[in-house]
Amino acid sequence: LAKTTQPISMDSYEGQEVNITCSHNNIATNDYITWYQQFPSQGPRFIIQGYKTKVTNEVASLFIPADRKSSTLSLPRVSLSDTAVYYCLVGDMGGTYKYIFGTGTRLKVLA
Amino acid sequence: GAVVSQHPSWVICKSGTSVKIECRSLDFQATTMFWYRQFPKQSLMLMATSNEGSKATYEQGVEKDKFLINHASLTLSTLTVTSAHPEDSSFYICSASDNYEQYFGPGTRLTVT
Repeated sequence: LAKTTQPISMDSYEGQEVNITCSHNNIATNDYITWYQQFPSQGPRFIIQGYKTKVTNEVASLFIPADRKSSTLSLPRVSLSDTAVYYCLVGDMGGTYKYIFGTGTRLKVLA
Repeated sequence: GAVVSQHPSWVICKSGTSVKIECRSLDFQATTMFWYRQFPKQSLMLMATSNEGSKATYEQGVEKDKFLINHASLTLSTLTVTSAHPEDSSFYICSASDNYEQYFGPGTRLTVT
């Protein structure tokens, strides 16, 4: 089971770009990298997933270097509503893989 | 995307009683479901993996006789907290897998008084 390491917390201001980096040194060949967002008293919500290089969707970008030992979630122009905990998870694409959640990164967006 | 629901969204029970939490995959069949527990300001902790038609697999340190899991159909898994105590008060979250991705439910807040 790959273990992930993220900063515990980050502060940012509205309108700024936020980059959250996750380390996963023991990532396996079949593992994908998935990021989730969680608001208080809610279940985690899928943000983005990738295997290598760069992935972009309507809410975020995910950068993965060639060695795949880390990844960076990029949130463009954050707003107050992006204040949440962000989790980086690694696991194979098969949905039966059990995720082990790390500490997550508590992002606070300030006005 | 696929939707997972949980019922109830919150529940208050008295110490010593049992409470059942349901997890349903609404628009897909889930051969595997997972149950997590989350205490305030902490991360999700995996409790058990539930496979349809077979016994659940519990993580180390999780009492299987206290947290009964039943995955009777491809769309429903239940978690029963037996003889609940105040220390069982927590946020319980399930996820369901369609063998490609995992989808998380909204969570159930359990308060034991």
